[in-house]
Amino acid sequence: EDQVTQSPEALRLQEGESSSLNCSYTVSGLRGLFWYRQDPGKGPEFLFTLYSAGEEKEKERLKATLTKKESFLHITAPKPEDSATYLCAVQARTGNQFYFGTGTSLTVIP
Amino acid sequence: DAGVIQSPRHEVTEMGQEVTLRCKPISGHNSLFWYRQTMMRGLELLIYFNNNVPIDDSGMPEDRFSAKMPNASFSTLKIQPSEPRDSAVYFCASSLSARTGRNNEQFFGPGTRLTVL
Repeated sequence: EDQVTQSPEALRLQEGESSSLNCSYTVSGLRGLFWYRQDPGKGPEFLFTLYSAGEEKEKERLKATLTKKESFLHITAPKPEDSATYLCAVQARTGNQFYFGTGTSLTVIP
Repeated sequence: DAGVIQSPRHEVTEMGQEVTLRCKPISGHNSLFWYRQTMMRGLELLIYFNNNVPIDDSGMPEDRFSAKMPNASFSTLKIQPSEPRDSAVYFCASSLSARTGRNNEQFFGPGTRLTVL
């Protein structure tokens, strides 16, 4: 069964304190792994797509990496505006649907 | 592009009433998804369409839920009759589903917050 698990559920960081969020997945053939950011009261906002193990993508203070079993979202020197819930999703080779994790709620304290 | 458009943004109704949620996907996208989000269960896929055809509706909780996509630029999700446990945020998302598997990311609308009293 295709499955996505994110950890931790919640993370509080001091401004400037780097850390990583984890997304572990089980899927019968990975088509893509996706990271989203969701702010309160809004829809998820697309961040990255990773397609194969070893791939990395970067955007400002965020870097996403992928292995055959998990993905990490590294946050370097976070700022309060990085506070949000970060969602991970996988898409299997068969079908179009995404399987979402339950997210990591990140709070960055000034 | 205006992105995915959903209406209404908020809906408050009484138990037993019919509710219709609307979605306009991004122009040119050929896949459309309806999700429900709650604190307890997170994001749940209800149904998705490819080229206006329903492909997988296994996430639709009951016969009270139905979805249609009469053309490439419009979809509806209907709940009849509504119940308090249907209270949630309903998201519509669209994507360009390519055979190569690339550029399949989904783009979400702002959601409809439904409250059933």
